[in-house]
Parts: sequence; C-alpha cells; structure tokens
Amino acid sequence: DAGVTQSPTHLIKTRGQQVTLRCSPKSGHDTVSWYQQALGQGPQFIFQYYEEEERQRGNFPDRFSGHQFPNYSSELNVNALLLGDSALYLCASSLEFVQGPWNGYTFGSGTRLTVV
Amino acid sequence: QKEVEQNSGPLSVPEGAIASLNCTYSDRGSQSFFWYRQYSGKSPELIMSIYSNGDKEDGRFTAQLNKASQYVSLLIRDSQPSDSATYLCAVPLRPGGSYIPTFGRGTSLIVHP
Repeated sequence: DAGVTQSPTHLIKTRGQQVTLRCSPKSGHDTVSWYQQALGQGPQFIFQYYEEEERQRGNFPDRFSGHQFPNYSSELNVNALLLGDSALYLCASSLEFVQGPWNGYTFGSGTRLTVV
Repeated sequence: QKEVEQNSGPLSVPEGAIASLNCTYSDRGSQSFFWYRQYSGKSPELIMSIYSNGDKEDGRFTAQLNKASQYVSLLIRDSQPSDSATYLCAVPLRPGGSYIPTFGRGTSLIVHP
C-alpha cells in the first residue's frame, strides 16, 4: 500500500509530557503537512515540511516542532503537553505547492492524542 | 482575516433527496477548491476538486464554483444513509506570501431513511 501511514493510532499522555508522532507520505509525494483537529472543528494547519525544512507554520506555539527526513517521512513533536492538546493529529501528504497550485492532500488515518 | 466558512449544521435530508452544502472563502486569489468527506472518528478523504467557474460532476456529486462571489458548493444527488458524514471545504489561502490549505469547520450531513 502506497498510502499515507501514521503511527501510533492512539496515544494517552499526562500533562507536561512530550510526544512524538510519525508519518510516512504517499509514494511520490515530497511534502508533509501536519494538522490538528479538535472535536467538532475543522483541521487547523500546524506546519509544512519540504526538503527537510519547515516551509510554513500556522498559529501554534514553539512547543510544536517537527522534522522531515531524507526519505520524506516526518515527525511531529509536542513538548509540555496541555489538556488542550488533546485532538486528532493528521498528516497530510502532497506534492510541493508553496509557490504553485495546491492539488489537494492525501491524509493519513490520524493519531488520536489524549492528554490527561 | 483569511477564512473558509461553512454552516456547521447538522443538515438533515431524507434518503433520495438532494443535499446542498455551501462554503465561502475570503481570498480572491485562491485557484483550487476541494471537498473532503470525514466519517466520525476517521480522517478526511477527498471526494471532489474544482478549479474553474461552473459545475463539475462526478457520479452523484456536483461541485459548483463562483469565484466572483467567492462561493463553492457541493450537491449530493440521491442521498444515501452512507453519505452521513461531515463535509469539509478546503481552500488555499494566503495569510502571508504563500498559500496555506485552509479547512472550514465542516458541515454535518445526516441522511435519514
């Protein structure tokens, strides 16, 4: 299967802890974007990685950081977890689009993070 | 402020009816528009894209775009209970110099038998 894979599927953490989420993009895609989706809300853009660099960032604090590896896979790290960080975290795979047209995302199945 | 707006619903329609979902966006420069379907507890899946003014049909789905009015809609004909889901409108907006794909909060659709 050449789709987007995310791990883990579910995660329970305690306030103040740190978490790392992982994503492998769809075969042929070179850009990974991360979104946070709270219950009843639309996905909110966290940041985008292309060529192992953070290209764009949404309105999220520095506690949220990421990385992209040479094979295009990516990690999302969240430090000092807060109760409000509880959400579905979505990895979105695409071709590069910062200066060109966006042709849509393929999403992974998501990681459900619960902070207690 | 750059936004994508949708009525959160729920929109309730009987089986076999036409469901009409609407979305407005704030950036006149946006060039591509997408509809995603999200079942409860699942991730979004792409169902329609549209780039030009007018209508685009794909099976029971029709996307409509009016760039002058900054309005995009999704029609679902012959609605089925399996269409019950949240429908997300996605538009690339430029809050700064680069596009960021931005999602509305989604419209919940309920198709009742």
